[in-house]
Amino acid sequence: SQQGEEDPQALSIQEGENATMNCSYKTSINNLQWYRQNSGRGLVHLILIRSNEREKHSGRLRVTLDTSKKSSSLLITASRAADTASYFCATDPNQAGTALIFGKGTTLSVSS
Amino acid sequence: GAGVSQSPSNKVTEKGKDVELRCDPISGHTALYWYRQSLGQGLEFLIYFQGNSAPDKSGLPSDRFSAERTGGSVSTLTIQRTQQEDSAVYLCASSLAGNGYTFGSGTRLTVV
Repeated sequence: SQQGEEDPQALSIQEGENATMNCSYKTSINNLQWYRQNSGRGLVHLILIRSNEREKHSGRLRVTLDTSKKSSSLLITASRAADTASYFCATDPNQAGTALIFGKGTTLSVSS
Repeated sequence: GAGVSQSPSNKVTEKGKDVELRCDPISGHTALYWYRQSLGQGLEFLIYFQGNSAPDKSGLPSDRFSAERTGGSVSTLTIQRTQQEDSAVYLCASSLAGNGYTFGSGTRLTVV
């Protein structure tokens, strides 16, 4: 079943601008993760935020988590053309032995 | 190995034939996952292996799909009597419990 829903579905920005993607989910979670996918093949893990954390940074990435609203956001600052990709949120349900549930993704296009 | 290896990278098969997709996870990763992704869509969970526990097969779409993981390492996903709707990219990932997933580059399956 689809747990995370990303918003927007597609985002087009210019190099140097910031990109914000949002994810909403339905059930309680252990953690929430963001992944990046280029060219429809393997995904790359970007960042993991645990349910007791509210914000996390990694380089130009900033992730927030609001468990009361069951939502997360991924901010990419000072975007580059190389950031063009699809970005997926994935939730780790608060249920032992369950695999990540992925959303449908946001397609980000950064033009130079 | 250094990453998750999947083979073949591309597979074209005739409707009704059986196919086997292989995944070689990162050494030491106890968990192994299979997902599939149709064009422009999110990831659909198929099956999850964790150590010596019984696998979570809840995502397999029909009894034509099966998977095994031999010796806690290499996994094979088998699709019998392939149908055109089975065409997708099949992604394998491995992880240590509670951490992010490392994905392979996927197998693009085309059923003609």
